[in-house]
Amino acid sequence: DQQVKQNSPSLSVQEGRISILNCDYTNSMFDYFLWYKKYPAEGPTFLISISSIKDKNEDGRFTVFLNKSAKHLSLHIVPSQPGDSAVYFCAASRRGSQGNLIFGKGTKLSVKP
Amino acid sequence: DVKVTQSSRYLVKRTGEKVFLECVQDMDHENMFWYRQDPGLGLRLIYFSYDVKMKEKGDIPEGYSVSREKKERFSLILESASTNQTSMYLCASSLEALGNQPQHFGDGTRLSIL
Repeated sequence: DQQVKQNSPSLSVQEGRISILNCDYTNSMFDYFLWYKKYPAEGPTFLISISSIKDKNEDGRFTVFLNKSAKHLSLHIVPSQPGDSAVYFCAASRRGSQGNLIFGKGTKLSVKP
Repeated sequence: DVKVTQSSRYLVKRTGEKVFLECVQDMDHENMFWYRQDPGLGLRLIYFSYDVKMKEKGDIPEGYSVSREKKERFSLILESASTNQTSMYLCASSLEALGNQPQHFGDGTRLSIL
């Protein structure tokens, strides 16, 4: 029973355009959401997070949007660059869970020059 | 910057061997985690620890054990390695148990069991 779902295994985008990666969750107790980027043969790198008290958080080219009523979050990358090509994982946690994160299965983003 | 160091990038072992994967973090983090990553399955939590000598089972603990004798070091042990434990193993740490903090990952150990 997946609590965090990334329904698109892959996404291909042209350089300079917007990349939108989506994530759905089922547990209404989640109050903290994160995005990680992972290159092959490396560990995941923390990108950006958002607390459930917010609906948007921005950091440079990366923006995360949270829609609590729909239990949906998305990561926007604008403009996309070839170096953004990686697997992106969505993760969620709830307060009191001792820092445990529940990860989605990932979306592989390819940004074409 | 947080540094999480895994002792080996690549490891090849034989079926039945006892295998130790070591992880060290340098930021005095309370929490440490072991995951495995397999294609199409994402990251699955094996064990975690929120304090020295404390350990909790994750989603897939069978066939594994852990040890945390010092705050900075968290070891994953494959008691008797089997081929279905061939995988990428990732260690992570985070700052505190109760707050919302990101986990920081090492570069992983690609383990092959022959």
